[in-house]
Amino acid sequence: KNEVEQSPQNLTAQEGEFITINCSYSVGISALHWLQQHPGGGIVSLFMLSSGKKKHGRLIATINIQEKHSSLHITASHPRDSAVYICAVRSDGGSQGNLIFGKGTKLSVKP
Amino acid sequence: NAGVTQTPKFRILKIGQSMTLQCTQDMNHNYMYWYRQDPGMGLKLIYYSVGAGITDKGEVPNGYNVSRSTTEDFPLRLELAAPSQTSVYFCASSYRVITGELFFGEGSRLTVL
Repeated sequence: KNEVEQSPQNLTAQEGEFITINCSYSVGISALHWLQQHPGGGIVSLFMLSSGKKKHGRLIATINIQEKHSSLHITASHPRDSAVYICAVRSDGGSQGNLIFGKGTKLSVKP
Repeated sequence: NAGVTQTPKFRILKIGQSMTLQCTQDMNHNYMYWYRQDPGMGLKLIYYSVGAGITDKGEVPNGYNVSRSTTEDFPLRLELAAPSQTSVYFCASSYRVITGELFFGEGSRLTVL
């Protein structure tokens, strides 16, 4: 079993829909990252969380440390949100360098 | 402010050839990382560095070497390329290791034939 599991693997939505992507992990963590990988391949950091909730524009990220679960929400989705969304955790028992990455959720938003 | 710059973006190698992927960051970050991304898989850490002169192995270091002579540069060397090294490689940096935001390069797509 992977230490970081994302669901769904693929998601197709209509423009304007509210989207939720889930990330579950099985290790103790010190931080969780949400990343966005554009169709061209570049990766950008969206959020870094260690507790609670963060909001940036139409994106909201939440984390529940007790349940080992995080969600990324996109409100009023738009075709430009189409990308792969990646969850990554920094294990509190791991080496300094290592993040554990999920396999990503591919989101496609149709106009 | 260029961020993290990787070169080349694309490269085709023959089995047994060697090459270096270059990575430079201009944010004065101490922490730098090399990852590989294979289709359908999460990114895997190859090597990382916590500062100039200090490097350490990640999860998948075999077949690769790194050096960190300056804060800015963190090149990844592939020795004796093998088809298993066909992948997309990403360099990344951060200011802090635990709570630092990650900044990624654009990626380098390498094919070994």
